[in-house]
Amino acid sequence: DARVTQTPRHKVTEMGQEVTMRCQPILGHNTVFWYRQTMMQGLELLAYFRNRAPLDDSGMPKDRFSAEMPDATLATLKIQPSEPRDSAVYFCASGLVNMAAIWGNTGELFFGEGSRLTVL
Amino acid sequence: GNSVTQMEGPVTLSEEAFLTINCTYTATGYPSLFWYVQYPGEGLQLLLKATKADDKGSNKGFEATYRKETTSFHLEKGSVQVSDSAVYFCALSDRGGANNLFFGTGTRLTVIP
Repeated sequence: DARVTQTPRHKVTEMGQEVTMRCQPILGHNTVFWYRQTMMQGLELLAYFRNRAPLDDSGMPKDRFSAEMPDATLATLKIQPSEPRDSAVYFCASGLVNMAAIWGNTGELFFGEGSRLTVL
Repeated sequence: GNSVTQMEGPVTLSEEAFLTINCTYTATGYPSLFWYVQYPGEGLQLLLKATKADDKGSNKGFEATYRKETTSFHLEKGSVQVSDSAVYFCALSDRGGANNLFFGTGTRLTVIP
């Protein structure tokens, strides 16, 4: 079964440390999203990419968060320096958008199992 | 803009009870509508979807009908099981735009034996 793979599944770190989360989207998907889930805020969109190009990262704190897609099989989300308020579960999701048939796209996304981050 | 309003939880039901979780939406275009489910410790999984008005999505005994006139996509199941305990998210996708998913806040369902 094709699936989105995220690493690490769990990360505990101390405030001020750098954290990098990785995501391998489903092969052939051209759109990748990063979401953050907390009890207080629910699911928040942080950033997304189409064909590896960043389309929107307005949901990310720019001073400490960065998202990249060095190649089609890898998306990364980096936090530097990390803070306790960054503690959350971070989800990657991928999907396929046919830009030649906009109204034919269903918009379905496939989610990874998440990376649970705890910043002490 | 695009947004989803979902029934507040948590919801606790006895096994075999009838389930309804309300969801309404606002959208600038003609969205696709989804219900995702999140089991404890896992990511979100697509439960069902509908891509045009009057379509009914169904899966695992769950159903939801895309109602354009009331901008709603309520989730129903006739007889819930303990294994249905999870968090349910209503979502819409702006198909004419970036295909980003806009999520509701989620409704936690607990089914007791």
